[in-house]
Amino acid sequence: QSALTQPASVSGSPGQSITISCTGNSSDIGIYNYVSWYQQHPGKVPRLIIYDVAKRPPGASDRFSGSKSGNTASLTISGIQGEDEADYYCASYTSTSTPVIFGGGTELTVL
Amino acid sequence: QVTLKESGPVLVKPTHTLTLTCTVTGFSLNNDYVGVSWIRQPPGKALEWLAHIFSEDEYYNTPLRSRLTVSKDTSRSQVVLTVTNTDPVDTATYYCVRGTLQGGFDFWGQGTQVTVSA
Repeated sequence: QSALTQPASVSGSPGQSITISCTGNSSDIGIYNYVSWYQQHPGKVPRLIIYDVAKRPPGASDRFSGSKSGNTASLTISGIQGEDEADYYCASYTSTSTPVIFGGGTELTVL
Repeated sequence: QVTLKESGPVLVKPTHTLTLTCTVTGFSLNNDYVGVSWIRQPPGKALEWLAHIFSEDEYYNTPLRSRLTVSKDTSRSQVVLTVTNTDPVDTATYYCVRGTLQGGFDFWGQGTQVTVSA
């Protein structure tokens, strides 16, 4: 089972909205609404920001939103700020013998 | 308050067995809603899910299955991961996390750095 595919990096200016894609296949994202997203600041522990494709856990900013279409999930961050500069990882439940896979991660740079 | 804390060796020699312990507080390992996973992250690389234990069921990253074992001691609130026949590619920060395979992982330990080197 290969990792989910994410762009290596994205960037945007403060106040802009950015979207990070996460592409899987018909064994994971395509058949389950079980996509989660994690934010990891440099040297820090990852933090859950989205689960079940579009739900936010307590404490997660409402500037984070998630969606899915076909085999691709997306994380949108609206009104990006300097504090959003971090790595972002998607993960999905799968129907294969490895039930969870992560994406390769996307580095967000706030210009 | 939910917490998870990993403990184990910092340095392991190649081919030796790595044993990591996760001690949890704030929730019971004997529950019907969440389990505990191990996730690792090699230096500068992506997260990799390794294994999960929930109730009496164990789940594994299939390519690593022959080298991984996850177990729990409910009375001590501990989850243990063993990695046999270690290799330098096993060098990583290992995280113990609470969650479900479907719904993601909502609480993370601080992580423990493990280096596999002679």
